[in-house]
Amino acid sequence: QSALTQPASVSGSPGQSITISCTGTSSDVGGYNYVSWYQQHPGKAPKLMIYDVSNRPSGVSNRFSGSKSGNTASLTISGLQAEDEADYYCSSYTSSSTPVFGGGTKLTVL
Amino acid sequence: QVQLVQSGAEVKKPGASVKVSCKASGYTFTSYGISWVRQAPGQGLEWMGWISAYNGNTNYAQKLQGRVTMTTDTSTSTAYMELRSLRSDDTAVYYCARSDIAVAGVSFDYWGQGTLVTVSS
Repeated sequence: QSALTQPASVSGSPGQSITISCTGTSSDVGGYNYVSWYQQHPGKAPKLMIYDVSNRPSGVSNRFSGSKSGNTASLTISGLQAEDEADYYCSSYTSSSTPVFGGGTKLTVL
Repeated sequence: QVQLVQSGAEVKKPGASVKVSCKASGYTFTSYGISWVRQAPGQGLEWMGWISAYNGNTNYAQKLQGRVTMTTDTSTSTAYMELRSLRSDDTAVYYCARSDIAVAGVSFDYWGQGTLVTVSS
């Protein structure tokens, strides 16, 4: 199973909104509503930010939102804050009954 | 609160085996599964496999089939991941993560702190 495709890096200024894309195929992203997003700060474990395409776990800021169109899922962060600077990974369930991760996107807050 | 606490860092020689533990607390262990995810230095996340703590069913990544075994001890709410025939490219931080009870890889809602495994001669 090939990794999902994410941009290597994105950046934005405080207060702005950014969107990170996650492109797969009809065998993963496009075929299931099981896309999740993880935030990882350096040296720390990943943290679940979005599950089932657009659901936020309890305690995650409503500045984080998720969506999907066809074979591409997206994570949008609004009102960007310095603490949002981190690596972000998408993941999707696949037709092989296993998950696949994206390559990761480094978010820089300017 | 849900916690997953992993065993400490390991240094192994090529060809050896490593067994990493993941002790769960704060929830009913047998109501969920445990996935294992690794991250090589400076690289992305790689799913290794999943075990249901309910019935012991497993699902391993194809590239690790035959080298990895995942088990659980429900009496101590602990999951284990053993990786054999270690190679230098197995050097990574290994994470356990709470997962669905019946399906591998839908999402991972709580993560352990990670265990660094270094493979070096």
